[in-house]
Amino acid sequence: QVQLVQSGGELKTPGASVRVSCKTSGYTFTTYSLTWVRQAPGQGLEWIGWISAYNGNTNYAQTLQGRVTISADTSTSTAYMELRYLRSDDTAMYYCARDLGGGGVAAFWGQGTLVTVSS
Amino acid sequence: ETVLTQSPATLSLSPGERATLSCRASQSVSNYLAWYQQRPGQAPRLLIYDASNRATGVPARFSGSGSGTDFTLTISSLEPEDFAVYYCHQRSNWPLSFGPGTRVDIK
Repeated sequence: QVQLVQSGGELKTPGASVRVSCKTSGYTFTTYSLTWVRQAPGQGLEWIGWISAYNGNTNYAQTLQGRVTISADTSTSTAYMELRYLRSDDTAMYYCARDLGGGGVAAFWGQGTLVTVSS
Repeated sequence: ETVLTQSPATLSLSPGERATLSCRASQSVSNYLAWYQQRPGQAPRLLIYDASNRATGVPARFSGSGSGTDFTLTISSLEPEDFAVYYCHQRSNWPLSFGPGTRVDIK
């Protein structure tokens, strides 16, 4: 069965960087793209970005462009989301999700990783 | 950037009633519109993709319709587990985006 297991929660200070991992199993990694989404406490879903696990092409939210990098390691079937220059408003639950097959439809979700940014 | 607007923000209904949720896009997204359900403390769950296709395992009481800029999610008869927040999501135009959500709560 398809599984996405994310790394554990992180506590960071403002200005630091964080890297969240998303280890996948149960399917051929390079066949499907992956999406990252975040949700601040009590708020809605915010699309962060997308990566094709096949060729590494990426696309990012304009609001995070320049601070976020999404990557994929095909040897370990793991995707990563790195966010730099953290601010307090980056405090959120971060989710990875695997595509359904049509490009951009997040069908299978990880359990989420809570990133807290506080001094 | 394509902005999605959802209405109403909150829908207060009783079990067994019909729920109609709306999502409007600031520009055409063709039929590339999905709906997600999120219960408290859980990750979102895909319900509908490409406007009207139910995801695997989604009950038939959930249906989606629309194209272009106007979309609707209908829950024909609310079950207790359906009281949650619902988000629409477009994958037509980069960057992709979510709507702000509609909360369906118990009246």
